[in-house]
Amino acid sequence: GNSVTQMEGPVTLSEEAFLTINCTYTATGYPSLFWYVQYPGEGLQLLLKATKADDKGSNKGFEATYRKETTSFHLEKGSVQVSDSAVYFCALSDRPGGANSKLTFGKGITLSVRP
Amino acid sequence: GAVVSQHPSWVICKSGTSVKIECRSLDFQATTMFWYRQFPKQSLMLMATSNEGSKATYEQGVEKDKFLINHASLTLSTLTVTSAHPEDSSFYICSARVGQVQETQYFGPGTRLLVL
Repeated sequence: GNSVTQMEGPVTLSEEAFLTINCTYTATGYPSLFWYVQYPGEGLQLLLKATKADDKGSNKGFEATYRKETTSFHLEKGSVQVSDSAVYFCALSDRPGGANSKLTFGKGITLSVRP
Repeated sequence: GAVVSQHPSWVICKSGTSVKIECRSLDFQATTMFWYRQFPKQSLMLMATSNEGSKATYEQGVEKDKFLINHASLTLSTLTVTSAHPEDSSFYICSARVGQVQETQYFGPGTRLLVL
């Protein structure tokens, strides 16, 4: 079956530090890949996505590249801010765009950025 | 942006009672709603998918008689945990989707259930 593995957390960084959050996946076929973010007290929000190999998703200074050869979708940001403190989930969608497509999530990782 | 609310945000109940959790799409109509549960330090696990006006589709291993889902309108889905037991204590999250494209799924903030 499909699965998503995220690095263990939590992660604590100083403001303006470089961020990398690792994510690897196992899936049949050609899944779409996502990063979701959950700010305190709010629901998950789509941060970025990539739908095919070598695609790069980007949003709010975050980037992730769909690497089929390493089955990875690592999240990066060059300079984190305190406002980036949240829980980050990596996810994949089987049968992208299909009527019965489902999301498979990683465990999530908590990022805390200190001033 | 699209907002999904859940009510209650936190509930404590005695073992053997039933608990209802509501999921509402506040400013859009959702053709499909999803229910997830999340244990501490674990992934969100899909429990069931519901389409307005039809029966929910449950994932393997999820008891449909235990977790009753009603999707009576395009803006409301409810999850009822019947005869709750301590092992049902978890974080329940709903999401709502417009159309068929997976990434247009909007998530609620979750409901924490504690069964004593």
